[in-house]
Amino acid sequence: AQKITQTQPGMFVQEKEAVTLDCTYDTSDPSYGLFWYKQPSSGEMIFLIYQGSYDQQNATEGRYSLNFQKARKSANLVISASQLGDSAMYFCAMREGLSGGFKTIFGAGTRLFVKA
Amino acid sequence: DAGVTQSPTHLIKTRGQQVTLRCSPISGHKSVSWYQQVLGQGPQFIFQYYEKEERGRGNFPDRFSARQFPNYSSELNVNALLLGDSALYLCASSLRGQSNQPQHFGDGTRLSIL
Repeated sequence: AQKITQTQPGMFVQEKEAVTLDCTYDTSDPSYGLFWYKQPSSGEMIFLIYQGSYDQQNATEGRYSLNFQKARKSANLVISASQLGDSAMYFCAMREGLSGGFKTIFGAGTRLFVKA
Repeated sequence: DAGVTQSPTHLIKTRGQQVTLRCSPISGHKSVSWYQQVLGQGPQFIFQYYEKEERGRGNFPDRFSARQFPNYSSELNVNALLLGDSALYLCASSLRGQSNQPQHFGDGTRLSIL
């Protein structure tokens, strides 16, 4: 069964420093997609970055990069040069390509606090 | 281009009532998914529709139903509301709903059950 685990309920980071948010997943499907979303206190869910299971290189999108370690089934989000506006909930999500029935599952989330 | 739009923004109902939530996907997107997000938790998958057909269903009771219209907009219906149905209901759209396509979310409908 597919599962997403985010073990850090809350994280603090100093402004302008980098931070890593952890995500591990479990699936038996060889084809899957991994996503990270940001949810500010206003509630909207903002797509940040995507990594496919067959992608050879780690995904990057501006200040966001995904540290994809397939053998360890981890997909950690790295935010470089943190900004005050990065304070939000961050969710890791997975969608299986073959057996998932088009279902996307989300982790419990990590709340990031950026300190000035 | 407009993003995913959901209506209403907020809704207050009482136990036993029925509610309909609406969603319009991004132009060109043919897949719509619905999620329930209880306060302090991650979103839970309810349904996915693609080309007007249900393609996925989460572990929700039959009180929850949905449909997708020819213009790809969607409605989520919840009957016999319970206190536990109080949550933020999120709609997301993607091009075709495949595993390599990100979903784009609306701002959600906050449903409160009294």
